[in-house]
Amino acid sequence: GQSLEQPSEVTAVEGAIVQINCTYQTSGFYGLSWYQQHDGGAPTFLSYNALDGLEETGRFSSFLSRSDSYGYLLLQELQMKDSASYFCARRGTGGFKTIFGAGTRLFVKA
Amino acid sequence: NAGVMQNPRHLVRRRGQEARLRCSPMKGHSHVYWYRQLPEEGLKFMVYLQKENIIDESGMPKERFSAEFPKEGPSILRIQQVVRGDSAAYFCASSGGQGADQPQHFGDGTRLSIL
Repeated sequence: GQSLEQPSEVTAVEGAIVQINCTYQTSGFYGLSWYQQHDGGAPTFLSYNALDGLEETGRFSSFLSRSDSYGYLLLQELQMKDSASYFCARRGTGGFKTIFGAGTRLFVKA
Repeated sequence: NAGVMQNPRHLVRRRGQEARLRCSPMKGHSHVYWYRQLPEEGLKFMVYLQKENIIDESGMPKERFSAEFPKEGPSILRIQQVVRGDSAAYFCASSGGQGADQPQHFGDGTRLSIL
């Protein structure tokens, strides 16, 4: 299979750090992407990891461990506007179809 | 606005009618993806197209659904004889290449409601 698993929701306080995990099945794996989607809005691309390690972009970082079939999105200095759904995604066999996880809903509290 | 444009934003149809959803990709992009999203769920891949070619339609139902991306004009997702279960948000995305590292840029979606 090629499915992805991520927690359904996470709650954190403003200013904190939160980690959203994503595990995947290894069949035909190329790399892991992350997208953010606010309620009623369009998904927006955050990051892509093809190789092991951490990719940092401002307050957001993404990590991949191919040996553990696992990745995570790290959000630092949380702000209220970070309340949204976060999806990990990968390509399917053949490299064309994109498979999304069910999403993690992040609630940021004051 | 150089982003992905989808129209209409909201579409209401009665059972049995046809729905046509349009998507103009980002300028310079020739790769288009269509997704369906139900409330509180992830995006479900439907079809991937390049200009005048359907590359992967493995996520699209075999009946009533079709997609095209003509040489000129927007990509169209067509749903014939709509049923209540077709109610969902339909998102289009475009990318500049087909590599797995290519970010997909999404439109604002079309919310389809079937009466």
